[in-house]
Amino acid sequence: KQEVTQIPAALSVPEGENLVLNCSFTDSAIYNLQWFRQDPGKGLTSLLLIQSSQREQTSGRLNASLDKSSGRSTLYIAASQPGDSATYLCAVSSTGNQFYFGTGTSLTVIP
Amino acid sequence: DGGITQSPKYLFRKEGQNVTLSCEQNLNHDAMYWYRQDPGQGLRLIYYSQIVNDFQKGDIAEGYSVSREKKESFPLTVTSAQKNPTAFYLCASSPYRADSGNTIYFGEGSWLTVV
Repeated sequence: KQEVTQIPAALSVPEGENLVLNCSFTDSAIYNLQWFRQDPGKGLTSLLLIQSSQREQTSGRLNASLDKSSGRSTLYIAASQPGDSATYLCAVSSTGNQFYFGTGTSLTVIP
Repeated sequence: DGGITQSPKYLFRKEGQNVTLSCEQNLNHDAMYWYRQDPGQGLRLIYYSQIVNDFQKGDIAEGYSVSREKKESFPLTVTSAQKNPTAFYLCASSPYRADSGNTIYFGEGSWLTVV
């Protein structure tokens, strides 16, 4: 069964710093990978979707990369802001419309 | 606006009661899902449905039941058999394609507390 791991579980950085969140998965037979943001007590909001044939996707200050063969993805956040504080989750999509989620990285950006 | 609506946002249940969480989507998605999220933990799949009148158990289906009578609706009933139901429940939907990747969309969640 696919297992998705996110390291670190929590991260605290000063405002303005660039940072990288990591996501790894055990089975490289995926269709795509999504990064989500979750604010406390809220649902998940999709940030970026990378198809298995793609290497990266960018949206504003966010850049996600995918190395399917090694089972890794990174989410790069440039010039972090206090409003970026949230939990970030990654999920992979595989056969049969199944989704597998990591446990998330809780990010705190200190003003 | 298109999206997924969950209700109620907050629900309190007494011991021994069944409660039903509503999930409605107007995205015309075939697949719908229910996840449970406990504080500081990841999402665990309760039930999912790929088409109307069909649904499958997820990893933690015991103590829960669902129905899928309409494409846009996928209610979840938390029965008295669920021993520890206090959690955050998330409904999601996805366009169903068996041979290609899909994206998944979430509602705002429902908090269930046993009192």
